Order: sequence, then structure tokens, then C-alpha cells
Amino acid sequence: GDSVTQMEGPVTLSEEAFLTINCTYTATGYPSLFWYVQYPGEGLQLLLKATKADDKGSNKGFEATYRKETTSFHLEKGSVQVSDSAVYFCALSEWAGNMLTFGGGTRLMVKP
Amino acid sequence: EAGVTQSPTHLIKTRGQQATLRCSPISGHTSVYWYQQALGLGLQFLLWYDEGEERNRGNFPPRFSGRQFPNYSSELNVNALELEDSALYLCASSVRDRGYEQYFGPGTRLTVT
Repeated sequence: GDSVTQMEGPVTLSEEAFLTINCTYTATGYPSLFWYVQYPGEGLQLLLKATKADDKGSNKGFEATYRKETTSFHLEKGSVQVSDSAVYFCALSEWAGNMLTFGGGTRLMVKP
Repeated sequence: EAGVTQSPTHLIKTRGQQATLRCSPISGHTSVYWYQQALGLGLQFLLWYDEGEERNRGNFPPRFSGRQFPNYSSELNVNALELEDSALYLCASSVRDRGYEQYFGPGTRLTVT
């Protein structure tokens, strides 16, 4: 079955540091890939997505590129802020409308 | 537009009881999904309803059930509650015109004692 693996946290960074959260996936077809963010006490918010190979999703300074050859969708941000502290989930969907399969989540803590 | 809403925010039940959780999708959305976020187990897919029909089901026992009403709101029922059912239950909604992107509600925290 499908699966998503992402680096375990917590990841602790200083403000303005560079962020990378690794995500790799296993799927039988050509899934769509997503990053969701969960702030403390809240539900999940869609951060960015990519629907085909070599697509780059971007939002709020975050970027991720769909790499089919390495089955990866790593999340990056050039300069993190304290307000980026949250749990980040990588996810895939085999086809539009189908369920999301999530990775285990990575907690990011940004210190001033 | 108003987001996905869920009620109640918190629910405390005793083992063996039944729990009912409710979800109202974003206006115009026809699909509703339920996920369980248990401590240490990540997010697990429970159920997907679309246009009133159950479309897919995750690897959960039959005591987890639900339905979707004509106004597209949804209900998740958990019978014969067990301690390990304690979790945050998240509802999401989507619609074809928005590429089936799933938008999540704030969740219902179910505690089974």
C-alpha cells in the first residue's frame, strides 16, 4: 500500500535559519503530494501541493518539488520565523478526491 | 467563506459508551472525510463520504460508522468505546471544482475513561 515517511522531529532552529524537512513516499501510481501544517490547538492547513513530476509547490516562503526519480517531496524554507513553529505533515493522494495518506509529522521549533 | 466546523470541541465518554461527532463542510463542498489523530499513531484515514454515499473506508473496525446527510454535513459514530479510541478526530471537506483539495476543521477531542 501507499506510505509516506518523513524525518522525525523535533527540529529546532534559530530564527532566520534554513529549513529542510525530508519526505519520501511509496505509491503504485502517480500521486498528488501535499504539505500540511498544524499549529498548536488547531486543525490542519494545506501549505502547498504538487500534482505531477517536477512541479514545485510554494506558499508563504515554503517550497517543495515533486521528484519522481527519488520519490521525494522535501519541504524547504530559506529563513524561518518563530511563527513557523508547528507540526508539518507530508501527505499523498493516489487520485483526486481519494483519502490522504500522511507521514508521521515533524515538529518544528524556531527559537528567537 | 466559513470553514469546516466540528462539534463538540471536546467529548468525554466512558468505556463501552457510544460517541457521536458532527461535521459541517464548507458551503458547496460535497465530500467529507474523517481522520483519527491518536497520540503516537499519526493521522489515520477513517471514512470518506461523497454525495451521501460512503466511498471509502480505512482499516478500522465496524464499530466506527457514519453517514452524510442531504445538506452534506456528516456524523461519525463510535460504538462500544475503548480506551484506545481516545484521539483527536478531524473532519475535512472538498469539492471537485477546487481539485478535491481537503480543508480541515479544528477537530473533536474524544477522551475515553
